[in-house]
Amino acid sequence: GAGVSQSPSNKVTEKGKDVELRCDPISGHTALYWYRQSLGQGLEFLIYFQGNSAPDKSGLPSDRFSAERTGGSVSTLTIQRTQQEDSAVYLCASSPDLLREPYEQYFGPGTRLTVT
Amino acid sequence: AQKITQTQPGMFVQEKEAVTLDCTYDTSDQSYGLFWYKQPSSGEMIFLIYQGSYDEQNATEGRYSLNFQKARKSANLVISASQLGDSAMYFCAMRKRNAGGTSYGKLTFGQGTILTVHP
Repeated sequence: GAGVSQSPSNKVTEKGKDVELRCDPISGHTALYWYRQSLGQGLEFLIYFQGNSAPDKSGLPSDRFSAERTGGSVSTLTIQRTQQEDSAVYLCASSPDLLREPYEQYFGPGTRLTVT
Repeated sequence: AQKITQTQPGMFVQEKEAVTLDCTYDTSDQSYGLFWYKQPSSGEMIFLIYQGSYDEQNATEGRYSLNFQKARKSANLVISASQLGDSAMYFCAMRKRNAGGTSYGKLTFGQGTILTVHP
């Protein structure tokens, strides 16, 4: 079946502009995650959606970052007034029912964001 | 808070030999899960293997096995019979579990180890 998809695959933007990154999770997956991977770094958690529960926003680095998930499916990560330190690969992941181990996360190919 | 440490920035192995990638972790949680992911140059994260903190047996998945030593808080990945296609970045990660066995969602990742397999 189809995996997690993300768009765009690459985004170049000027400092100060807003950007929107999209994630389409695997159909039926109840949980959706956003991570950020900076050059040569590990993955940094940003935000997590689970069903109708309030999202876990504890990883968002500043109030310039926000995300929403519509209809329990597609998610959009928005970065306002982009800064050069926002340049990174933004990875989206989804996982199925949490009641069955290992409920691993399935990752998308990522969006490479470059802020000039 | 959870922390994952991967002390090997890069590792080299000869094709067909075994290699161990180190991972140590720190957590105050009693119940947690440990994961290994592979990230080839294409960038996509590929799930390899999982170990629950209460699992008594070390996890195995084909050529991958996880050497889990709970007292030492280590969860090393062993790749047997290395192949050229194993060249990639490898990440160790962990996630908290509650008493009911369900998940708290977010993964905490280490910095990764770049594995290069030589022919």
